[in-house]
Amino acid sequence: GQQVMQIPQYQHVQEGEDFTTYCNSSTTLSNIQWYKQRPGGHPVFLIQLVKSGEVKKQKRLTFQFGEAKKNSSLHITATQTTDVGTYFCAGTEGAGSYQLTFGKGTKLSVIP
Amino acid sequence: GAGVSQSPRYKVAKRGQDVALRCDPISGHVSLFWYQQALGQGPEFLTYFQNEAQLDKSGLPSDRFFAERPEGSVSTLKIQRTQQEDSAVYLCASSLAGQGNEKLFFGSGTQLSVL
Repeated sequence: GQQVMQIPQYQHVQEGEDFTTYCNSSTTLSNIQWYKQRPGGHPVFLIQLVKSGEVKKQKRLTFQFGEAKKNSSLHITATQTTDVGTYFCAGTEGAGSYQLTFGKGTKLSVIP
Repeated sequence: GAGVSQSPRYKVAKRGQDVALRCDPISGHVSLFWYQQALGQGPEFLTYFQNEAQLDKSGLPSDRFFAERPEGSVSTLKIQRTQQEDSAVYLCASSLAGQGNEKLFFGSGTQLSVL
């Protein structure tokens, strides 16, 4: 079945440093979504990428979808303490598929 | 409602007890999902409803797990004869239409601890 891997599992950064998490799928994805889960909270949708090679930005966050639609990345510039949490990627396989397969997430800690 | 509501927030059960977890999705949302999230892991798909129809239950770990959404709104996930390995956070999520490629709105989850 479909597998989604994320690295690193943990990342500790000094406030102001950049952060990147990588997501790789064992199969070609029709789309990929990113979610953020604060400590003790629930996943909150950040963005969806659909097109091969797509790049989207949200303020300090940059999301990329690979050309082969099997990998994705999230880059945060100049991290802040409010960025603390676990970032999950989640993908669907078929165009009409509703079943999201989540990675294990990257837990980000920001040292002030 | 303003968001997806789940109850109870915490549930402690003795091994062998039955439990029922409730999810009240965003009003008007057609799709409803249940996910299981173990500590330090990502959410894992359990089951999917489109209105009252359960279209996919492939993620339910055993026949002790049962979900329903009889009127196409509120859903209940029932676990019979709970086991320690059932301890996890159970997340409910809804989305607007019955199509793929939609963002999910998650509830706060029910943290189940089986002793």
